[in-house]
Amino acid sequence: AQSVTQLDSQVPVFEEAPVELRCNYSSSVSVYLFWYVQYPNQGLQLLLKYLSGSTLVKGINGFEAEFNKSQTSFHLRKPSVHISDTAEYFCAVSEYGGSQGNLIFGKGTKLSVKP
Amino acid sequence: EADIYQTPRYLVIGTGKKITLECSQTMGHDKMYWYQQDPGMELHLIHYSYGVNSTEKGDLSSESTVSRIRTEHFPLTLESARPSHTSQYLCASSLPGGYGYTFGSGTRLTVV
Repeated sequence: AQSVTQLDSQVPVFEEAPVELRCNYSSSVSVYLFWYVQYPNQGLQLLLKYLSGSTLVKGINGFEAEFNKSQTSFHLRKPSVHISDTAEYFCAVSEYGGSQGNLIFGKGTKLSVKP
Repeated sequence: EADIYQTPRYLVIGTGKKITLECSQTMGHDKMYWYQQDPGMELHLIHYSYGVNSTEKGDLSSESTVSRIRTEHFPLTLESARPSHTSQYLCASSLPGGYGYTFGSGTRLTVV
């Protein structure tokens, strides 16, 4: 069975500092990987996704993530954060080509950007 | 513009009332989902559907029910609301194949 572990429940950083939000997954088959962002009182918005090809994926708002198959990781990074990046971030995985295609979500990481 | 819509955005209702949370999508997606999320907490899948007349219960037991009579519409109903139902409810839809979900903006329900 697939599972997703987000290693940090909260990440406080100062504005303009770099940030990395960590995500590890476990699966016995090939996977698709996703990062979603949730601002307060909002639904989830897709930041980026890895389906195939280059392991470095660029998303919206200056975020990027790198798929590392050997370490079963998909960490999210941004070189310089803004106050507006304060939100909750969810990592998710689905089975490659699976007929069901349901996403399995991590428990989320709260990013707090301080001035 | 193709999208997914949830109404109402906010709802405060008294205990014992029947409520229906609406979710509609214009993307022609076969698969639709309902998640329950307490503030700042993880997502819990409560219902999903793979198409018209298909509904399944999710990982978290819920007293709510759903129906899927039309592809674009996936309403969630609580027959008798209780304070324990206070939460945010998120609707999502997707194509088959595991390519990711599109989420609505959510309904924040408060039962008093």
